[in-house]
Amino acid sequence: EVQLLESGGDLVQPGGSLGLSCVASGFTFSSSGIAWVRQAPGKGLEWVSTISGSGADTYYADSVKGRFSISRDNSRNTLILQMNSLRAEDTAVYFCAKGKRAAAGYYFESWGPGTLVTVSS
Amino acid sequence: EIVLTQSPGTLSLSPGESATLSCRASQRISSNFLAWYQHKSGQAPRLLIYHASTRATGIPDRFSGSGSGTDFTLTISRLEPEDFAVYYCQQYILLPLSFGGGTKVEIQ
Repeated sequence: EVQLLESGGDLVQPGGSLGLSCVASGFTFSSSGIAWVRQAPGKGLEWVSTISGSGADTYYADSVKGRFSISRDNSRNTLILQMNSLRAEDTAVYFCAKGKRAAAGYYFESWGPGTLVTVSS
Repeated sequence: EIVLTQSPGTLSLSPGESATLSCRASQRISSNFLAWYQHKSGQAPRLLIYHASTRATGIPDRFSGSGSGTDFTLTISRLEPEDFAVYYCQQYILLPLSFGGGTKVEIQ
């Protein structure tokens, strides 16, 4: 059974930094692209970033480009999202999702339950 | 960037009725690279449909997807109590990946 579990969500001040982790099990981690998708309070889903199975290719939404960095440790089945220069509008539940590659993008076969990031002074 | 517009925003229906959800794209989605997800508050989203009409593993056949080009539909026949949730479409033909704004299916 595929399982994804996020952690690291916290309350952080504007301009601060935070790192999120996602530990995966139940599939060959290094063969799968993985993404972060977020949901702000009362809003819909928003794609944030994706990393290929090898880690060689990374993609970002314009709203986080230059501030967020996605990486993975395939030896530990772990996905990381390093978030810098955080803004109030980054407040959201952050989900990691196992991707299935198609064309330039991915659809998401399995998701974690999410971790809450709150950016506020 | 492909913008996905879902309608209606909310559907109020009773168990046993059918639901028809629409997802319209701002440009053609080739190869029907469109997915549908179900999301309940406090839970992980669940993949229902990919490639516009292929049901994901374990998804009941009361869920069906159709459409092509710019217009796509998710149909839920014979609503069960556990089907009341928010539904999102997502395109994966182009970066940035994008989701629609969602349709909430609520109990009337």
